[in-house]
Amino acid sequence: GAVVSQHPSWVICKSGTSVKIECRSLDFQATTMFWYRQFPKQSLMLMATSNEGSKATYEQGVEKDKFLINHASLTLSTLTVTSAHPEDSSFYICSARMTVSDTQYFGPGTRLTVL
Amino acid sequence: AQSVTQPDIHITVSEGASLELRCNYSYGATPYLFWYVQSPGQGLQLLLKYFSGDTLVQGIKGFEAEFKRSQSSFNLRKPSVHWSDAAEYFCAVAVGTGTASKLTFGTGTRLQVTL
Repeated sequence: GAVVSQHPSWVICKSGTSVKIECRSLDFQATTMFWYRQFPKQSLMLMATSNEGSKATYEQGVEKDKFLINHASLTLSTLTVTSAHPEDSSFYICSARMTVSDTQYFGPGTRLTVL
Repeated sequence: AQSVTQPDIHITVSEGASLELRCNYSYGATPYLFWYVQSPGQGLQLLLKYFSGDTLVQGIKGFEAEFKRSQSSFNLRKPSVHWSDAAEYFCAVAVGTGTASKLTFGTGTRLQVTL
């Protein structure tokens, strides 16, 4: 149990285009999901907290207009990187919080490369 | 402010040897503590967690961790390491409660296992 998927697992796009990443909790409902960014050989940096049916809460320094988050259902959150630039290239990981256990379960990550 | 320190950036052990990965936290309230493992290019997998009760926590893959409040530590141990344990290990503390709960991660410890 407690499986979280992400799609796509990797994506390459041209500078200026937008990319959407999906995060799904497959066997539990998650009112709260999280989006992280990880640079090579570094720890995870929380970008935003996504709550079902409400606006996401962004961490300081994260551009909300650039990283659009939608959490339309209890099993799906999406992160859209708008007008992507090479500096947005990174590994993006989502997690879903299982309410009953107050534990975050992580997706496998999405590698974004912006050319 | 809350923080998590993993003093060892990189550890190398021989297969079959014992392992201890250190984690120290700084948090004013009773912490919720986690250990996650990340294989290259993958998401994070939960190894174990501590919320309350018995301070020695058993996890998956033969790992255990001991919460020591007096030392603000939550060290991860394994009596006999397998080559497949080579990965990046992250300690994390949950800050806040309920829907406001967020994870703060340490910088990670990379484990290398020699045969």
